[in-house]
Amino acid sequence: GQQLNQSPQSMFIQEGEDVSMNCTSSSIFNTWLWYKQDPGEGPVLLIALYKAGELTSNGRLTAQFGITRKDSFLNISASIPSDVGIYFCAGPDRGSTLGRLYFGRGTQLTVWP
Amino acid sequence: DAGITQSPRHKVTETGTPVTLRCHQTENHRYMYWYRQDPGHGLRLIHYSYGVKDTDKGEVSDGYSVSRSKTEDFLLTLESATSSQTSVYFCAIGDRGQAGELFFGEGSRLTVL
Repeated sequence: GQQLNQSPQSMFIQEGEDVSMNCTSSSIFNTWLWYKQDPGEGPVLLIALYKAGELTSNGRLTAQFGITRKDSFLNISASIPSDVGIYFCAGPDRGSTLGRLYFGRGTQLTVWP
Repeated sequence: DAGITQSPRHKVTETGTPVTLRCHQTENHRYMYWYRQDPGHGLRLIHYSYGVKDTDKGEVSDGYSVSRSKTEDFLLTLESATSSQTSVYFCAIGDRGQAGELFFGEGSRLTVL
């Protein structure tokens, strides 16, 4: 299957700081998705990207679909305590037309007040 | 929130016993997925379904089987549970396949002793 490499694995930041994380693949993706998982919950979709070069915002979150189609970036501005959680990138298996979706290993974000 | 329910939410069982996890949806979505989440591994796809009686393997399908006899239910079965199958299992649903906008359940924590 596809391998999605997420970095960093974990981040410890102060409230108010900006955050950047990224996801790379050796394969080309047609879609990049970013999910967030709060402690004890299932992941929730934050942003979906469908076009190379696309830059999409959702409040304090901004995500970009890399021009090479092999990477994507997620930025969080002015972090707050409720940003704590695990952030996952995800993308579909291009070898399957049937909806197989793969996830990266996640970036664990901790925000200190 | 998407209408998706997992049961049981918590289960402790012994090695060698069969276990079935149930995912029930009220959204009439075509696609249903089972993932497992383990520290350091993120979310790994076990099996997924693209319609009633239509299923396919994911990246970690060994030791698991699934069935989907009606749109709303997707069952994950461990025929003979092993300690390596101790994990948190998430069901997800979607209606766009590879476009990848999935809605996740709250997870089922399985411990195999």
